[in-house]
Amino acid sequence: NAGVTQTPKFQVLKTGQSMTLQCAQDMNHEYMSWYRQDPGMGLRLIHYSVGAGITDQGEVPNGYNVSRSTTEDFPLRLLSAAPSQTSVYFCASSLGGDTGELFFGEGSRLTVL
Amino acid sequence: AQKVTQAQTEISVVEKEDVTLDCVYETRDTTYYLFWYKQPPSGELVFLIRRNSFDEQNEISGRYSWNFQKSTSSFNFTITASQVVDSAVYFCALDPYSSASKIIFGSGTRLSIRP
Repeated sequence: NAGVTQTPKFQVLKTGQSMTLQCAQDMNHEYMSWYRQDPGMGLRLIHYSVGAGITDQGEVPNGYNVSRSTTEDFPLRLLSAAPSQTSVYFCASSLGGDTGELFFGEGSRLTVL
Repeated sequence: AQKVTQAQTEISVVEKEDVTLDCVYETRDTTYYLFWYKQPPSGELVFLIRRNSFDEQNEISGRYSWNFQKSTSSFNFTITASQVVDSAVYFCALDPYSSASKIIFGSGTRLSIRP
């Protein structure tokens, strides 16, 4: 059982480059979300989705785009990377409701030079 | 406002000591969930517990116990007889809409257990 799979695990970008962080889950979860983790700030919600075709902004959405064309996949796009986006990114999924435990991917460490 | 506060940034104790990690939350909702997650040095996030706002019973799981008090909006986590393997960053989190989609995390407490 793969759970939540994130790729790549490490990435170095130059300012202004674009990239996509991939996230896939095989648990048929409706809810998916992206968080970033910065030192001393915990995890902050970037974007989330409550089902295929439905996405919404979290606490820190600027500079990021998402889409949810299938239940399984929830990619996070950086259109023009900035040094402030250097962070560790976590994708999470959940069944929601009374079984609302978040299952996390292993994280993707992104460095923007 | 929805908020989770973990005032203890870092805690260091000697092995076998008991240690309590504090968590205070804010929400206007009457139905919500509270969580604790562990992040060991390897970096993954490990689920520890989820508590419904209507269930104020304390929970014990081995050396871990949780004290939920709605009157003080606190959900504290105690490790009894700490071990070096307990060294990690611990996050408290709030799901204010019981939606599993907009979970709010505290800033974390880094726990170091010295042998």
